[in-house]
Amino acid sequence: DADVTQTPRNRITKTGKRIMLECSQTKGHDRMYWYRQDPGLGLRLIYYSFDVKDINKGEISDGYSVSRQAQAKFSLSLESAIPNQTALYFCATSDPKRPGGELFFGEGSRLTVL
Amino acid sequence: GEDVEQSLFLSVREGDSSVINCTYTDSSSTYLYWYKQEPGAGLQLLTYIFSNMDMKQDQRLTVLLNKKDKHLSLRIADTQTGDSAIYFCAESNSNTGKLIFGQGTTLQVKP
Repeated sequence: DADVTQTPRNRITKTGKRIMLECSQTKGHDRMYWYRQDPGLGLRLIYYSFDVKDINKGEISDGYSVSRQAQAKFSLSLESAIPNQTALYFCATSDPKRPGGELFFGEGSRLTVL
Repeated sequence: GEDVEQSLFLSVREGDSSVINCTYTDSSSTYLYWYKQEPGAGLQLLTYIFSNMDMKQDQRLTVLLNKKDKHLSLRIADTQTGDSAIYFCAESNSNTGKLIFGQGTTLQVKP
């Protein structure tokens, strides 16, 4: 079983719809992240959370919101989806006590907004 | 602000060495990383280097860090078709703990 699980893996929706992408982890890590990947742009940080009561904006938070429901769960919401939010979204976790600060990624959620 | 730059594409022949380059701007980076993304998958850590090191070798992989020029490279010796993937350079900010990624370099290995 994957340590970092994202649902849904694929979603097609229409402009204006509300979408939630969910992430759960079994690694016991406090830190969780949401990135989006676009061809030629790499990964850009949307939001991150260093513990259940901590939420921080990343580089591109406009149009997105997050909720850290528990240590193991971090969800990303698009309140009113627009076509330029079509992308591959990744959730990741990390443990600051681990040397190197490695990120552990989920397999991604591909979102298409028509 | 923080920025990480990579070239977008590299093509090599099987058995040759591949060198993927990266430049970054944050002089306070603690660690620099190379991640690999295979088609349809998430990113996986290949290797990382602490900012006070110049070089790190791990089997076929050699990482070189020139801190003065803020330049990081990944050399893959004896490149195989299974090495075909997107390679991301990333830096961590020691103050925020965030990782900043480059655009990714697509490595194509021809038989």
